[in-house]
Amino acid sequence: AQSVTQLGSHVSVSEGALVLLRCNYSSSVPPYLFWYVQYPNQGLQLLLKYTSAATLVKGINGFEAEFKKSETSFHLTKPSAHMSDAAEYFCAVSLNSGNTPLVFGKGTRLSVIA
Amino acid sequence: NAGVMQNPRHLVRRRGQEARLRCSPMKGHSHVYWYRQLPEEGLKFMVYLQKENIIDESGMPKERFSAEFPKEGPSILRIQQVVRGDSAAYFCASSPGAENTGELFFGEGSRLTVL
Repeated sequence: AQSVTQLGSHVSVSEGALVLLRCNYSSSVPPYLFWYVQYPNQGLQLLLKYTSAATLVKGINGFEAEFKKSETSFHLTKPSAHMSDAAEYFCAVSLNSGNTPLVFGKGTRLSVIA
Repeated sequence: NAGVMQNPRHLVRRRGQEARLRCSPMKGHSHVYWYRQLPEEGLKFMVYLQKENIIDESGMPKERFSAEFPKEGPSILRIQQVVRGDSAAYFCASSPGAENTGELFFGEGSRLTVL
């Protein structure tokens, strides 16, 4: 069965600093991988997804993630944090066959300090 | 708004009452998923439905919880005889079905508070 581990339930960065949110996955077959963002009292919005094409995936709001099979990782990065990036971020995995439920990590809350 | 619509956004129930949460998927989507979010626990999968069929209910509690997605109308998650531990945010998501890459489109959630 697939699973996701997000290292660090809370990450705090200064405005303008690099954002790095870690995600490691476990899957018996090539996975699809996703990062979602959740703002307070809202639903989840897709940031980016990996579906076995390019290993470096660019998403919305300047975020990107790199799929590293050898490390079973899919870390999320952004070169320069903005105050509006403060939110909860979820990594998710699904089997490479579509229509199977996404399995989510526990989330990482990102705080951005002025 | 052609997104996933959930209602009510907020629901308060007393212990022992019933809660019904509704979800209308995005236009053209035939697959619906329900997730529960508890603080510090992320999203837990509950059930996956297609029209008139439950595909995967491995995340549903064995008692008091049920879900349906009828031929006409929204999907409904029903919780009978609610207890305080049912207090959570319940999210519905939908996907188009065929040739799907696994991406889910989420509603804004229904927040259940049990007094």
